[in-house]
Amino acid sequence: DTGVSQDPRHKITKRGQNVTFRCDPISEHNRLYWYRQTLGQGPEFLTYFQNEAQLEKSRLLSDRFSAERPKGSFSTLEIQRTEQGDSAMYLCASSSDQAQYFGPGTRLTVL
Amino acid sequence: TQLLEQSPQFLSIQEGENLTVYCNSSSVFSSLQWYRQEPGEGPVLLVTVVTGGEVKKLKRLTFQFGDARKDSSLHITAAQPGDTGLYLCAGELDSSYKLIFGSGTRLLVRP
Repeated sequence: DTGVSQDPRHKITKRGQNVTFRCDPISEHNRLYWYRQTLGQGPEFLTYFQNEAQLEKSRLLSDRFSAERPKGSFSTLEIQRTEQGDSAMYLCASSSDQAQYFGPGTRLTVL
Repeated sequence: TQLLEQSPQFLSIQEGENLTVYCNSSSVFSSLQWYRQEPGEGPVLLVTVVTGGEVKKLKRLTFQFGDARKDSSLHITAAQPGDTGLYLCAGELDSSYKLIFGSGTRLLVRP
């Protein structure tokens, strides 16, 4: 399967803990995106990379959130000092043109 | 303020019926995409439209992008239970690459 993959698929953590998610994009895609989706809503843009450069960050991305794409391939999204409001599905997508292809997501539950 | 309004929010129809889902905005989009999402999974890309007035067909699904590139519609002919899911439209503003999503239309096709 050469689609976008995300790991883990599910993460349950206690409030205050740090979590890190990984995304492996489609190999020939130079752009990688992170979105967050809460129940009953469409995904909301968080940030995106072109190759290894992080080009835009949403105001939704507080200073507890950090994303990296060190070699322009896979990306990680870290949330420090998690809060219950961080509970959501975190989606990664990649593209080489307008069409964005999404991974299966990481469901985060903060207790 | 929702930048992209989708209607209806919910739709329950009998197998074999036709339906149309609408996606409206006051903003002009450089491209617009339609996705279908199953519970617990990431959105799956159905189509990308980029030209005002463009019509694309995917088997029983017909997608139209408005002439002014502010709105779009998805028409399904002879709906089947396998069409059940959450349909999301997403627009790209100003060639920014980030997608703005509508809140989705939840479709149930009853056998």
